[in-house]
Amino acid sequence: GQNIDQPTEMTATEGAIVQINCTYQTSGFNGLFWYQQHAGEAPTFLSYNVLDGLEEKGRFSSFLSRSKGYSYLLLKELQMKDSVSYLCAVMDSNYQLIWGAGTKLIIKP
Amino acid sequence: GAVVSQHPSRVICKSGTSVKIECRSLDFQATTMFWYRQFPKQSLMLMATSNEGSKATYEQGVEKDKFLINHASLTLSTLTVTSAHPEDSSFYICSARGLAGGPAETQYFGPGTRLLVL
Repeated sequence: GQNIDQPTEMTATEGAIVQINCTYQTSGFNGLFWYQQHAGEAPTFLSYNVLDGLEEKGRFSSFLSRSKGYSYLLLKELQMKDSVSYLCAVMDSNYQLIWGAGTKLIIKP
Repeated sequence: GAVVSQHPSRVICKSGTSVKIECRSLDFQATTMFWYRQFPKQSLMLMATSNEGSKATYEQGVEKDKFLINHASLTLSTLTVTSAHPEDSSFYICSARGLAGGPAETQYFGPGTRLLVL
């Protein structure tokens, strides 16, 4: 079966760095997405990786290793407003998105 | 760019009535639209995928006669929950994929519709 694993919850300190990991097992691979979701709202697009390596976009970076079925989202200079959920999703061979359950990030002052 | 709207944002209805939710891509043409449902503290669950001008493809376990999807144009898809019951109460979210300027396979989400069936 297809499976996306990410931690349910993580805690970090304001101003610090946090890495949210995602491992996946899917039938085929056409890219990995990270979305941000505020409670009670729809997801918003953060990043897309289809080749191995690191994609940097401001305070956020996303890394992909296809051979390991692994990705991470790196958030730097954490701000209190970053206290939301982060969803990892993989596009399979049928171009369907397989979603992880999301990681709730809690940031403490 | 890549803005998707949904209407209404919130709806309360009586059991047995039908509710229509609209999803529009405002600044790009959406060749494919998706309808999701999300229960509190749970992952997004794909209900159906629709391509403009063709019948929607429903996921296993989703009743096509209960959740009617129409994708009449490249900017509009509608989801009608027919004969709604309390167990249909959920957060319904649409997403659109097309030539939006970002990575080609990106899905851009509408703000969601919270449905409460009494």
